[in-house]
Amino acid sequence: AQSVAQPEDQVNVAEGNPLTVKCTYSVSGNPYLFWYVQYPNRGLQFLLKYITGDNLVKGSYGFEAEFNKSQTSFHLKKPSALVSDSALYFCAVTLRGGSYIPTFGRGTSLIVHP
Amino acid sequence: EPEVTQTPSHQVTQMGQEVILRCVPISNHLYFYWYRQILGQKVEFLVSFYNNEISEKSEIFDDQFSVERPDGSNFTLKIRSTKLEDSAMYFCASSTRTGEYNEQFFGPGTRLTVL
Repeated sequence: AQSVAQPEDQVNVAEGNPLTVKCTYSVSGNPYLFWYVQYPNRGLQFLLKYITGDNLVKGSYGFEAEFNKSQTSFHLKKPSALVSDSALYFCAVTLRGGSYIPTFGRGTSLIVHP
Repeated sequence: EPEVTQTPSHQVTQMGQEVILRCVPISNHLYFYWYRQILGQKVEFLVSFYNNEISEKSEIFDDQFSVERPDGSNFTLKIRSTKLEDSAMYFCASSTRTGEYNEQFFGPGTRLTVL
């Protein structure tokens, strides 16, 4: 069975500093990996995904994520955090050749302080 | 930008009552989904729906649950006899295509509280 772990319930960072939201996964095969963001009172919005190719994936709002197969990780990063980045972030995985239903993590609350 | 919408945003009900959660997917999307998230836990898949049929469902989606697309725009989740453990945030999602590499578009959720 596949699974996703987001080890931090909350990440706090000062505005202007780099941010990292961690995600590790477990699948029996090759993964497709996704990041979604949920702003208050809004639905989950797709940020970026890794399918194949370059391990560094760039997405919306200046976010990027690095696929690391040996560490089974897909951490979300941004070089300079904004207060408006404060939201709930979800990592998800599907299995290449498997079900299209993603397995989600519990979510990480990112708080960016002015 | 088109969005998935859900109503109500918060539903409070008594145990044993029926509830219907409503969703309006993005208009040109063909695949529809329901997920739930119990407070502090993971987002869990309930059911997917395509061409007026359930295409996949999880073990959570038992006989107490049903889905329907009663017209060309709404997609509903019914819980026939709610239990305390049904209290959760319920998310509707839709997509243009299905496939393990395709992203989905989610609504803001309905918080269901069963007393």
